[in-house]
Amino acid sequence: GAVVSQHPSRVICKSGTSVKIECRSLDFQATTMFWYRQFPKQSLMLMATSNEGSKATYEQGVEKDKFLINHASLTLSTLTVTSAHPEDSSFYICSAKGHYTGELFFGEGSRLTVL
Amino acid sequence: RKEVEQDPGPFNVPEGATVAFNCTYSNSASQSFFWYRQDCRKEPKLLMSVYSSGNEDGRFTAQLNRASQYISLLIRDSKLSDSATYLCVVTDLYGGATNKLIFGTGTLLAVQP
Repeated sequence: GAVVSQHPSRVICKSGTSVKIECRSLDFQATTMFWYRQFPKQSLMLMATSNEGSKATYEQGVEKDKFLINHASLTLSTLTVTSAHPEDSSFYICSAKGHYTGELFFGEGSRLTVL
Repeated sequence: RKEVEQDPGPFNVPEGATVAFNCTYSNSASQSFFWYRQDCRKEPKLLMSVYSSGNEDGRFTAQLNRASQYISLLIRDSKLSDSATYLCVVTDLYGGATNKLIFGTGTLLAVQP
């Protein structure tokens, strides 16, 4: 079964609204989680690294004020897309590093469509 | 130049065929290498790690050439269920805490009956 749960799997919203995506590690504590974005027919692009109890580290070109990341506990990280616009429509995927193996486990992804 | 480059395909092959995917990476300091599989509209799943000595897992064989900065994946006796996008992935830190993964755009494989 999934070791990283992501919710919602699909969301459609109006332009200008904010959308929150949750990423939970199941049965293990994840001090570090990663947020990726994938546009159609493109590779996964790392957006930010989320560290429990501290500010996220954003990749170049990713607006930290638009993509708010909170990692308040060892099992939960959230990504909020603020004032979403159609160009933000994408597949957002989180991942967490396994506590013992170091393997990265991915959430099921969240498909955001902004109308 | 992209950090990780792959032939996007698609590779259309009949069942039972042998197919090979190639990948090149630009950062000579990259230390860890993987092949992931991604089904349509799904999250990536680890297929196998790639080691300098080459490694095999059933019908899948992965090889790494550090001098040429080149990674390959060979699939023998293709099954319909192998149809997916295969992602070449490298990390920019060796066993580092961040394990920052750099993904290729993926190669689409379609196995035909």
